[in-house]
Amino acid sequence: EAGVVQSPRYKIIEKKQPVAFWCNPISGHNTLYWYLQNLGQGPELLIRYENEEAVDDSQLPKDRFSAERLKGVDSTLKIQPAELGDSAVYLCASSLERGSEQYFGPGTRLTVT
Amino acid sequence: AQKITQTQPGMFVQEKEAVTLDCTYDTSDQSYGLFWYKQPSSGEMIFLIYQGSYDEQNATEGRYSLNFQKARKSANLVISASQLGDSAMYFCAMRGRYGGATNKLIFGTGTLLAVQP
Repeated sequence: EAGVVQSPRYKIIEKKQPVAFWCNPISGHNTLYWYLQNLGQGPELLIRYENEEAVDDSQLPKDRFSAERLKGVDSTLKIQPAELGDSAVYLCASSLERGSEQYFGPGTRLTVT
Repeated sequence: AQKITQTQPGMFVQEKEAVTLDCTYDTSDQSYGLFWYKQPSSGEMIFLIYQGSYDEQNATEGRYSLNFQKARKSANLVISASQLGDSAMYFCAMRGRYGGATNKLIFGTGTLLAVQP
């Protein structure tokens, strides 16, 4: 069974440029999560989807970050414009349902110069 | 508010020996779950073991066991017979009450384990 797929694995952009990350969850997993992991820290939840509905986006900086999961399967996280402080690893995870175990993808390492 | 504390930034262990990674937590929930994840240099978070707050026995998964002491609010990970491939970052995490609004994972800052030959 394929795991959570994320692309790209690495991205380097200049500040003020836009960037997008893509995540394809494990087949059949209804819940999808985006986490932000700063260097030397544990991941922090940005947004959680139940199917196509964003049910917890309280930690998402909505002035520059947006996310979508239009068909309730794969998801895109966007930053526009990127700032130097956005340099981090962006992890996607999925679970069968809200309370079950979360499986993580390999992450996208973003560097903003 | 929920919080996970991992006080060991780094640990060394000799190959084939056992090692304990510390984790304490703080929550006002009566029902919660505790997790340990391994993050190798490749970046992926790998689930290792889970302990429910109402589980009477400590969880075990192969070489991993969780030393759960509810009264002390600790959930230490024990790795027996360490292997070189165990070298990685280890995160302790907590999930709030099942089915509640706040079902996100709260992570600690991690412990970097280095297994020496």
